[in-house]
Amino acid sequence: NAGVMQNPRHLVRRRGQEARLRCSPMKGHSHVYWYRQLPEEGLKFMVYLQKENIIDESGMPKERFSAEFPKEGPSILRIQQVVRGDSAAYFCASSPPELAGADTQYFGPGTRLTVL
Amino acid sequence: DAKTTQPPSMDCAEGRAANLPCNHSTISGNEYVYWYRQIHSQGPQYIIHGLKNNETNEMASLIITEDRKSSTLILPHATLRDTAVYYCIVRVDSNYQLIWGAGTKLIIKP
Repeated sequence: NAGVMQNPRHLVRRRGQEARLRCSPMKGHSHVYWYRQLPEEGLKFMVYLQKENIIDESGMPKERFSAEFPKEGPSILRIQQVVRGDSAAYFCASSPPELAGADTQYFGPGTRLTVL
Repeated sequence: DAKTTQPPSMDCAEGRAANLPCNHSTISGNEYVYWYRQIHSQGPQYIIHGLKNNETNEMASLIITEDRKSSTLILPHATLRDTAVYYCIVRVDSNYQLIWGAGTKLIIKP
């Protein structure tokens, strides 16, 4: 049973470009969460999605950031017009549907975004 | 803000038990204690969680005090591969957000 998959593992962008981060949840999981981690800090919650629905995006910056989890395919975290402050590790986690988001979250390996 | 307090770092000799403390004095009755660890440059790995009873799995044991204001994660026979940052998180069962503190950096020494 494959774990949570994220790609790319490393992404380099220049200021002003767009970054697209992908997350495929574990098999059978329908809840996806995105977290951001700055160096030497703990993870910060960004957004919680179920298939075709954004449940909570309270941790997402209001501008330039968006997330989706379509009916088919991976969840996408999109950052438009990246700035140097967006440089961080972005982690995706997934959980099964039974407990409506309250179950244990399992994390992917992360995408390390570097903005030049 | 995180509702937990952990020492910033700890050392442990290889083969010995590593005991990682966590204070959560404001924990509510319906909040679970979760432990994750993050090995350098990897995604967080779930270890164990509990509500009020002690828990054990193949990775670790979790001891929660009777008043639930603190807990200890025990790695019974630490190996070099257990070197990581360990995070203690309290979480309401119905709340999906994990609030992460700074964790404890555990270094296992040969």
